[in-house]
Amino acid sequence: KAGVTQTPRYLIKTRGQQVTLSCSPISGHRSVSWYQQTPGQGLQFLFEYFSETQRNKGNFPGRFSGRQFSNSRSEMNVSTLELGDSALYLCASSLAGTSGINEQFFGPGTRLTVL
Amino acid sequence: GENVEQHPSTLSVQEGDSAVIKCTYSDSASNYFPWYKQELGKRPQLIIDIRSNVGEKKDQRIAVTLNKTAKHFSLHITETQPEDSAVYFCAESGSARQLTFGSGTQLTVLP
Repeated sequence: KAGVTQTPRYLIKTRGQQVTLSCSPISGHRSVSWYQQTPGQGLQFLFEYFSETQRNKGNFPGRFSGRQFSNSRSEMNVSTLELGDSALYLCASSLAGTSGINEQFFGPGTRLTVL
Repeated sequence: GENVEQHPSTLSVQEGDSAVIKCTYSDSASNYFPWYKQELGKRPQLIIDIRSNVGEKKDQRIAVTLNKTAKHFSLHITETQPEDSAVYFCAESGSARQLTFGSGTQLTVLP
């Protein structure tokens, strides 16, 4: 099975712009979670989508949003970029059903740099 | 909210020695505890996980132990090799179905 893929792998934006990142989960996985990784804050949960619905949301401002399509692919969007948004954005997919949590498998990440 | 503390932040061991990394959590509803290994410039990879109904799990040179009463869990790596050098993250999940990560441990195995 192909692993989790993310595009693009690298992005450079300027403050005030917006960005859209894409994630394709492992075939058969219906849950996609997004995480932000920075040297200072570590790995922080952004949100999780399952069957095109956001099930969980982390403690991030409304500038961070996402969606999931019927084929389980997911996108996240960050509007009005700030310097502090520079980070590695990771998505993870899992089989997760309606109860509990299953193993999450990470994609390679998108490295976003905001200038 | 959930909180995971991970210690130590850096760990250096001689090749062949054992390494132990410890994490404590605060949410009594936590029931899933994975460990991830992240090499420089690469994605986090799941190396072992444990659920709250099990006290210990082993996979070759890697083992995880869980003490639910004390709310802590540990990763044990035996016979360390240079390729074990990486950042290791613990995580936990409970009713929220999201992973809360520890701050990471930079493990260096010296040849």
